[in-house]
Amino acid sequence: AQKVTQAQTEISVVEKEDVTLDCVYETRDTTYYLFWYKQPPSGELVFLIRRNSFDEQNEISGRYSWNFQKSTSSFNFTITASQVVDSAVYFCALGTYYNQGGKLIFGQGTELSVKP
Amino acid sequence: EAQVTQNPRYLITVTGKKLTVTCSQNMNHEYMSWYRQDPGLGLRQIYYSMNVEVTDKGDVPEGYKVSRKEKRNFPLILESPSPNQTSLYFCASRSLDHNEQFFGPGTRLTVL
Repeated sequence: AQKVTQAQTEISVVEKEDVTLDCVYETRDTTYYLFWYKQPPSGELVFLIRRNSFDEQNEISGRYSWNFQKSTSSFNFTITASQVVDSAVYFCALGTYYNQGGKLIFGQGTELSVKP
Repeated sequence: EAQVTQNPRYLITVTGKKLTVTCSQNMNHEYMSWYRQDPGLGLRQIYYSMNVEVTDKGDVPEGYKVSRKEKRNFPLILESPSPNQTSLYFCASRSLDHNEQFFGPGTRLTVL
């Protein structure tokens, strides 16, 4: 079975702290994709990153970085020097090319609150 | 601009009153899906379509219908809504050869 687990339901930090959001996935597929989405209070889903299973390189984009480790089936997301605008719900998701139209399997989400 | 649009964005209705949420994409994508988002459960796929006239059930299809008569449109139909269908709904599309999903802005539905 395919599954995504975000064990942290809520995280609260003070501005400028670094924070890591954990994501663990399960799949038997050898080819798959991992995603992170941000959902601000307004409700829309904002795409942050896609990684395929062949590419374990870590990625950095500004204050955001992602650590993909196939050995532990994890795809963790770190925000450096957090800001109030980072407050949102963050979803990790697993996808395949063709299964059920390429559906995404989402984790439960982690609600991040960054206080000034 | 490449986008997925949904209408309405907000809807409050009563039990049993049929409703349709429209979804349209302008990217000529083959695949389209509907998801619902509920607290603590993330997003779950309701129905999907792999092309015109090709639709199939996702993980939580009970109480919903869809149709795909044109490539760009994929409406979600609730024939007899019930309070347990109160949720945030997202439509998504992707191309045949590319795994990036494009999500619509969401429709917040309340069934009283």
